[in-house]
Amino acid sequence: GNSVTQMEGPVTLSEEAFLTINCTYTATGYPSLFWYVQYPGEGLQLLLKATKADDKGSNKGFEATYRKETTSFHLEKGSVQVSDSAVYFCALNPYSSASKIIFGSGTRLSIRP
Amino acid sequence: EAQVTQNPRYLITVTGKKLTVTCSQNMNHEYMSWYRQDPGLGLRQIYYSMNVEVTDKGDVPEGYKVSRKEKRNFPLILESPSPNQTSLYFCASSLSTGTGPYGYTFGSGTRLTVV
Repeated sequence: GNSVTQMEGPVTLSEEAFLTINCTYTATGYPSLFWYVQYPGEGLQLLLKATKADDKGSNKGFEATYRKETTSFHLEKGSVQVSDSAVYFCALNPYSSASKIIFGSGTRLSIRP
Repeated sequence: EAQVTQNPRYLITVTGKKLTVTCSQNMNHEYMSWYRQDPGLGLRQIYYSMNVEVTDKGDVPEGYKVSRKEKRNFPLILESPSPNQTSLYFCASSLSTGTGPYGYTFGSGTRLTVV
């Protein structure tokens, strides 16, 4: 079946540190991949996406590359800020299903000043 | 402003008392969906709708009902709430099924407690 596995949190970093949040997936066919971010008390917002192998999604200094050979879509940022503190969700839209996006369990990120 | 509006934001109710959580979007989106968010489980889809009068079950539909009589509205109905439905609920909408350039637009969430 289709599923998403992401690293458990919480992840705590100092400001300006390098960030990696790991995400791997299982899917049939060629899914689209997403990272969503949830700030405290808010709904999820789309952060970035990639729709085919080797695509790189980027937004607000965050990047993720669709790696079909390793079935991964790791989220990275070179220098995090306190305002990046949030919960990050990796997600996929299966090619075989037009009805849903499947989310990982979320990774809470806290940035210390 | 383009948005998905859910009401109420917070709700405490008693077991068995019927309730409705409303969801409305102003973007003329065809696709709408309800998710629940629980610690350690991420988001799980309850129901979705591909268009007016077209609805279908997601992964965890038991105990919930939905309707889509108008394009903009997609209410979630709990006929007889139970404590295991205590959760954070999100409504989402999209032009298609999320593979477009904007993905899903989410509401701000409804925190439901059933005692």
